[in-house]
Amino acid sequence: EVHLLESGGGLVQPGGSLRLSCAASGFTFSNYAMHWVRQAPGKGLEWVSSISADGSITAYTDSVKGRFTFSRDNSKNTLYLQMNSLRAEDAAVYYCAAKREGSSPFDYWGQGTLVTVSS
Amino acid sequence: DIQMTQSPSSLSASVGDRVTITCRASQSISTYLNWYQQKPGKAPKLLIYAASSLQSGVPSRFSGSGSGTDFTLTISSLQPEDFATYSCQQSYSAPWTFGQGTQMDIK
Repeated sequence: EVHLLESGGGLVQPGGSLRLSCAASGFTFSNYAMHWVRQAPGKGLEWVSSISADGSITAYTDSVKGRFTFSRDNSKNTLYLQMNSLRAEDAAVYYCAAKREGSSPFDYWGQGTLVTVSS
Repeated sequence: DIQMTQSPSSLSASVGDRVTITCRASQSISTYLNWYQQKPGKAPKLLIYAASSLQSGVPSRFSGSGSGTDFTLTISSLQPEDFATYSCQQSYSAPWTFGQGTQMDIK
């Protein structure tokens, strides 16, 4: 059975940092591109960042470029999202999701971790 | 970026109803359109991929259709467990974008 388990969310002040993690199991992790998708309270889903299966290529939505860094450790089946200079508008539930390369859907999703940005 | 617009944003329906949700893309996306179901406090769940392919384990009362810019998700006979929020998502080109969601509740 596929499991994606996010951790690391919490309350942080504006300008602060958090590091999210996502532990994966139950599928061939190294075959999948991985993504972070967030959902602000009462809002729709928003793709945030992606990393290729081998970790060599990353992409970010414009609003987080230069502030967020996405990495993966295929030996540990784990993802990391380093979030710096956090803003109020970054507050959301952050989901990690698995998607095969190319024009495929998000096959697997974690349960999410809540990030709150407030003073 | 490709904009995805769903309608309606919310709807009320009864068990046994036939329901249709529409998703429109700001440009042609062929059939690279996926539908997800999300219940409160839970992760999204893939229902339909490639516009009309049913994900394994998803009941056959769910169906999808469309191509180009206009797509629909139909639930043929609503069941109590179907009351949730439904979102479309294009997988034609990055950045991957979602519709704003359609929240369905019990009439």
